Amino acid sequence: EAQVTQNPRYLITVTGKKLTVTCSQNMNHEYMSWYRQDPGLGLRQIYYSMNVEVTDKGDVPEGYKVSRKEKRNFPLILESPSPNQTSLYFCASSLWEGERETQYFGPGTRLLVL
Amino acid sequence: GQNIDQPTEMTATEGAIVQINCTYQTSGFNGLFWYQQHAGEAPTFLSYNVLDGLEEKGRFSSFLSRSKGYSYLLLKELQMKDSASYLCAVRVSNDYKLSFGAGTTVTVRA
Repeated sequence: EAQVTQNPRYLITVTGKKLTVTCSQNMNHEYMSWYRQDPGLGLRQIYYSMNVEVTDKGDVPEGYKVSRKEKRNFPLILESPSPNQTSLYFCASSLWEGERETQYFGPGTRLLVL
Repeated sequence: GQNIDQPTEMTATEGAIVQINCTYQTSGFNGLFWYQQHAGEAPTFLSYNVLDGLEEKGRFSSFLSRSKGYSYLLLKELQMKDSASYLCAVRVSNDYKLSFGAGTTVTVRA
């Protein structure tokens, strides 16, 4: 089954304790991205990756890191989480067919930073 | 920054038609997406417009006018399961960033 998976789905942590949220897709998509969703603010892009070893900042990259060492995986790293990073996080990957794009989202990760 | 506006809430009756408007002012344009998101779930892709005009897909249609910076999503023959948030997103050219509007919550009433 074609899908985007994220782990963990739920996480409670404390300020300053490094964490990684994994994202994996089995569709051989080149484009992947991370978003956070907060009430009243909608979805905001954190980082995106056009291909292996190619990453770039989205609208809200501060406090986050990413890596793309292989096509299927795109982990999101919070080196020193803070309470303002409490949010719902989504990973996504995109299929391009000519100039048409279809984006598939993972199930989401709810993060609470105390 | 990018500016993408859509109404906060809309209510409609089962079986009716609802049109959700989205206006955008961005530094570039390389496509507009519509997503549906049920509460507590991930967004699911509905449509993608990069050229002007209407794209129809079953009960859902999406329209784009690039010169006006305007799109709408048309939901026909509304069903209770269509109650959800609908997200408009613009891919800005040159850097492939994707910017979202805040979403429109549609409530379908019997």
